Amino acid sequence: GQQLNQSPQSMFIQEGEDVSMNCTSSSIFNTWLWYKQDPGEGPVLLIALYKAGELTSNGRLTAQFGITRKDSFLNISASIPSDVGIYFCAGTSGSRLTFGEGTQLTVNP
Amino acid sequence: ETGVTQTPRHLVMGMTNKKSLKCEQHLGHNAMYWYKQSAKKPLELMFVYNFKEQTENNSVPSRFSPECPNSSHLFLHLHTLQPEDSALYLCASSPVTTSNTGELFFGEGSRLTVL
Repeated sequence: GQQLNQSPQSMFIQEGEDVSMNCTSSSIFNTWLWYKQDPGEGPVLLIALYKAGELTSNGRLTAQFGITRKDSFLNISASIPSDVGIYFCAGTSGSRLTFGEGTQLTVNP
Repeated sequence: ETGVTQTPRHLVMGMTNKKSLKCEQHLGHNAMYWYKQSAKKPLELMFVYNFKEQTENNSVPSRFSPECPNSSHLFLHLHTLQPEDSALYLCASSPVTTSNTGELFFGEGSRLTVL
């Protein structure tokens, strides 16, 4: 089946630093999405991307839909302690939604 | 508050018990999903319901039995589970499945521990 390779698996950063994570696949996706899961909660949609090359921001978050349609990245600028959590990429191909394994982000004050 | 409520939040059961997980969505959506989340693994889709009809069963063992009485409620009935079934079970909803933009609204999850 389709697989998304998400990296890094975990990150430990200092408050104020910028963060970058990405997702790659050998398959083409029609939509790329980024979700965040706070500890003890369910995932929440952060950004959805619908067109190859699309660059979208949501506050301090910026995500891009790769030109090849096989990758996406998420950047977080000027991290704060509440950014801690697990970030999941996801992609749709036809009716199938596939999730990455997640990036665990820890922000030290 | 995502509009999707799951109960119970935590459940501990023995392998011979029968229990149920409940999900309710207040978003007017027509599609509901059960996902299994295990540590360091991608979310695993279990079941999909669209307009109360099951449209997908992702090769889930029969010890998991879903029920969708209406578009707002979804249950997962559990019986004779195994310890490896311990995980976070997430319910999600979306307006419909057919367009599948991937935009899901998740509940907070039910943390299941099987002893």
